[in-house]
Amino acid sequence: SQQGEEDPQALSIQEGENATMNCSYKTSINNLQWYRQNSGRGLVHLILIRSNEREKHSGRLRVTLDTSKKSSSLLITASRAADTASYFCATGHSDTGRRALTFGSGTRLQVQP
Amino acid sequence: DAGVTQSPTHLIKTRGQQVTLRCSPKSGHDTVSWYQQALGQGPQFIFQYYEEEERQRGNFPDRFSGHQFPNYSSELNVNALLLGDSALYLCASSLASTGPLNQPQHFGDGTRLSIL
Repeated sequence: SQQGEEDPQALSIQEGENATMNCSYKTSINNLQWYRQNSGRGLVHLILIRSNEREKHSGRLRVTLDTSKKSSSLLITASRAADTASYFCATGHSDTGRRALTFGSGTRLQVQP
Repeated sequence: DAGVTQSPTHLIKTRGQQVTLRCSPKSGHDTVSWYQQALGQGPQFIFQYYEEEERQRGNFPDRFSGHQFPNYSSELNVNALLLGDSALYLCASSLASTGPLNQPQHFGDGTRLSIL
């Protein structure tokens, strides 16, 4: 079953606009990761944020984590057509002995040129 | 530095057949995880291999089995294929000493398996 759920399921914006995607999860986590997947390709890691961190930046990406609300957001600023892809959050829960990431169902982002 | 490579890229099989998918991890990585991704869904964890043993398994039937070789490469085998096995199968590698959950997973581009 999916642990994380992304919202919205799909998002269409114009180049230059900002895109915000949200992820909610159900159980306590060690960290949360965001991945991008271009159509028909593998997943590419974007950012890892640990449970004791609240915000992290990488280039045009900003990720926030609110463990009290069990939610995270990914903000892409000044979007480009090349940002068109599906974005997934994935959580790690080592306290359960689980050694694999649990992925959400993803947000499909379309950036119109 | 070679990343994760998977073969074949595409495969078409019929119901009841058996299939073997292959994965070579990123150089320096020793842990391989397999995921199944149905169309429009997120990846679902199948199992993870380390030191040539299955270390953890997701909620998949015994028809799904795997193997890891001394050079850390891995195979995923699926027997008695069903229509519902049609999906993109992804391999991800990591380094056990860092902890697979505390580092980025490196994914291959997957094998697209279609069952007719």
